[in-house]
This record gives sequence, structure tokens and C-alpha cells, in this order.
Amino acid sequence: EIVMTQSPATLSVSPGERATLSCRASQSVSSNLAWYQQKPGQAPRLLIYGASTRATGIPARFSGSGSGTEFTLTISSLQSEDFAVYYCQQYNNWPLTFGQGTKVEIK
Amino acid sequence: EVQLVESGGGLVQPGGSLRLSCAASGFTVSSNYMSWVRQAPGKGLEWVSVIYSGGSTYYADSVKGRFTISRDNSKNTLYLQMNSLRAEDTAVYYCARCGSYYLYFDYWGQGTLVTVSS
Repeated sequence: EIVMTQSPATLSVSPGERATLSCRASQSVSSNLAWYQQKPGQAPRLLIYGASTRATGIPARFSGSGSGTEFTLTISSLQSEDFAVYYCQQYNNWPLTFGQGTKVEIK
Repeated sequence: EVQLVESGGGLVQPGGSLRLSCAASGFTVSSNYMSWVRQAPGKGLEWVSVIYSGGSTYYADSVKGRFTISRDNSKNTLYLQMNSLRAEDTAVYYCARCGSYYLYFDYWGQGTLVTVSS
């Protein structure tokens, strides 16, 4: 099983600042990596797939990069609606696995 | 507009069974890969099962042999039959559509809570 490790567990950021979230895979997942945003009481929402392709309707302030085992989600200028938990997910190997999540909170 | 609406969750005793349903609209379930993902209270996301458009099915080891994913094409509905339920199966269960024959999830339902407890 591929283990996905996200860091940090919690990120404290002021509105308007840049946030950088990391996701590391225990073995290569090529570019088969997705990012999701989840707010309390809501279902996850797809942000990024293929490591760097924004999903439909996702603002340009969200960007993804990386391949192989190291991936990054960057939020260029945090808006109030961006404070949430973010998960990465690999879909290169069975079983499909998620990271444990990074909570982005208001500083 | 793509919509997924789950139902069928509730309280069940250990060893019991439950069937979850996910009614889809705005697209055809049988033409897409469809999946179930769960989230235990206060925890992260865990993939449970997927059914391919061709009908092949795959399961997480934690549910293999106990859960069965299926669909009814005439009702455009996805199902998850859950047998021999355990306390550790307690979670919100989401159905999700996979994107373009890849195994990421582009649309999610609102989730249905399954609680396994005596």
C-alpha cells in the first residue's frame, strides 16, 4: 500500500498570504495525484487532478505541482473561504489512498 | 447538473447489515467509474470500493468479503451492501463519481452516516 504523508498537519496563515501544502508518497505515483478541499460538515471537493490540472470552476489561486513522490498544493493568496482541510490522494496503485490531511486555519 | 444523493444510513448492531443507495442525476452511472469513500468521525478519508463501467469491482482490504458494490442501470443508482458490520465501519459514507476513467473523484454526494453500535 502506498502511504501518503501530508505536512504540516496544521498551517496557520493570515488572509491574503500564500499557503504551501506538501504531500509525499512512499513510492512513485507518477502524476496520478489529486487534491481535495473539505469544509466542516461538507463533502470533499476536487481541486486538482493529474498533480497540476485544476478541476472545473476552481480559482486560479490554487495550483498543484510535483511528480513521482513529492507534490505541492499552493494557494497564492488565501481567501476567507479557503480555510479548510486539504487532502491529497494517489490513484496510481491499489488500494487508492489518501493523506491524513492538512488543516489550514486563520492565523 | 451532476448530483449524487445517498441514503440508507443509520444505526445498526455489530454483525448486522445495511444497504446504502446513491441516486445519480445529470449523468449515467453505468458509463462512469463509481466509488464509495468513507470518513470515520473526526478522521480522514478512506477509499472503500469502486465499480468500473464494464462492471469490474475492487475493494479495500478492510471491507473485502463483507461489502458489495453494485448498480441498477434502470434506476441510475449505485449501491453498497454492507454485511457483518463492525464498530470500525462507523463513518460517513460518500458516493463519488470518478473523473474520465481515472480514479480521482470529481463529484461527491453529501454523505450518509452509518453507526455500528450495540
